[in-house]
Amino acid sequence: KAGVTQTPRYLIKTRGQQVTLSCSPISGHRSVSWYQQTPGQGLQFLFEYFSETQRNKGNFPGRFSGRQFSNSRSEMNVSTLELGDSALYLCASYRTDAPYEQYFGPGTRLTVT
Amino acid sequence: GEDVEQSLFLSVREGDSSVINCTYTDSSSTYLYWYKQEPGAGLQLLTYIFSNMDMKQDQRLTVLLNKKDKHLSLRIADTQTGDSAIYFCAEGPSQGNLIFGKGTKLSVKP
Repeated sequence: KAGVTQTPRYLIKTRGQQVTLSCSPISGHRSVSWYQQTPGQGLQFLFEYFSETQRNKGNFPGRFSGRQFSNSRSEMNVSTLELGDSALYLCASYRTDAPYEQYFGPGTRLTVT
Repeated sequence: GEDVEQSLFLSVREGDSSVINCTYTDSSSTYLYWYKQEPGAGLQLLTYIFSNMDMKQDQRLTVLLNKKDKHLSLRIADTQTGDSAIYFCAEGPSQGNLIFGKGTKLSVKP
């Protein structure tokens, strides 16, 4: 079974630009969560999607948004990029029954200059 | 609020056992997880334990849970250089939101 895939793997953007990251979950998984990983803050939850609906959102500004498509693929968007948005963005997919094992993709490394 | 604490570093010799500790605060967590992250990679799920269990063994990995003290540990038997990585414990799920510790960097010396 193929794992979680994320594209692109690396991205360099300039302050003020916007970016879209993509995540394809494991086949059969209908839930997707997004996390931001930075050296200072560690792993922080961004949002979670199930059946095209956002079920939960972390404490991030409105510049961070996401969506999920009918095939469970998900995208997240960051508008008006700031230097502090430089991070590894990780996507996880999982089934909706216990034990809710979340499987992570390799991440997208975003650098904002 | 919810918080997960881990020590930042652990150094062991190859062949020894490693024990990585974690404390958490949310007593409503139903599962606790251990993840491994190698440089430049995503998180790899190693194992998990249901909150009403005390212990779980999975090959070289042993998870111990003390629910009263909210203390979780991961023991790696016969640690190898390939086990060098950052290990994260996480509590959850709460609407898909796993709460992660800051990670413990395990260094294995030959």
